[in-house]
Amino acid sequence: DSGVTQTPKHLITATGQRVTLRCSPRSGDLSVYWYQQSLDQGLQFLIQYYNGEERAKGNILERFSAQQFPDLHSELNLSPLELGDSALYFCASSPQDTSFPYEQYFGPGTRLTVT
Amino acid sequence: GESVGLHLPTLSVQEGDNSIINCAYSNSASDYFIWYKQESGKGPQFIIDIRSNMDKRQGQRVTVLLNKTVKHLSLQIAATQPGDSAVYFCAETSGSARQLTFGSGTQLTVLP
Repeated sequence: DSGVTQTPKHLITATGQRVTLRCSPRSGDLSVYWYQQSLDQGLQFLIQYYNGEERAKGNILERFSAQQFPDLHSELNLSPLELGDSALYFCASSPQDTSFPYEQYFGPGTRLTVT
Repeated sequence: GESVGLHLPTLSVQEGDNSIINCAYSNSASDYFIWYKQESGKGPQFIIDIRSNMDKRQGQRVTVLLNKTVKHLSLQIAATQPGDSAVYFCAETSGSARQLTFGSGTQLTVLP
């Protein structure tokens, strides 16, 4: 158990809908990263937050948005959903982002299926 | 863009043998590397890391080797056990944000 929690574990929804994925980082970690894992793209970085502020963006679509709240949990919003958004979404946390150590600990993921 | 890649998509080893999983990276600015293990239905699990100022780092039954000259990373697992069966990813990071760039993964299967 990494200490990172994600909810829900599974989500099945239809195209055009909106979903919110939730992540709670390890106790004391300030940095939260979101990754998408699909069969054809592998594990890809989406976005990072550090202590409530957006730090970096990766391959995140404009239809997706995220935020980190004062209690450091983070939410990833996806809307409107498309079939290609079906994937595993992982959250990872790290104590900080600009000083060593840099290791990131991953949550169990949310499996999103868009029908 | 720059990417991290793995040489072999699958690797089968006999239980008790040593395993070696390889990874090539192309970003010369990479200064920190991590190996992750991912079991079916689970998130990536941190195994071991290494900074670019090191050539070798050892953990419990695992060793990571870094060759910056040829931009190559390897993970050695000693006395491979059935519980080691999983997909192994190397990941690299650089810059200020420290987001990870992952390789495509190697499926390790341990044979009885």
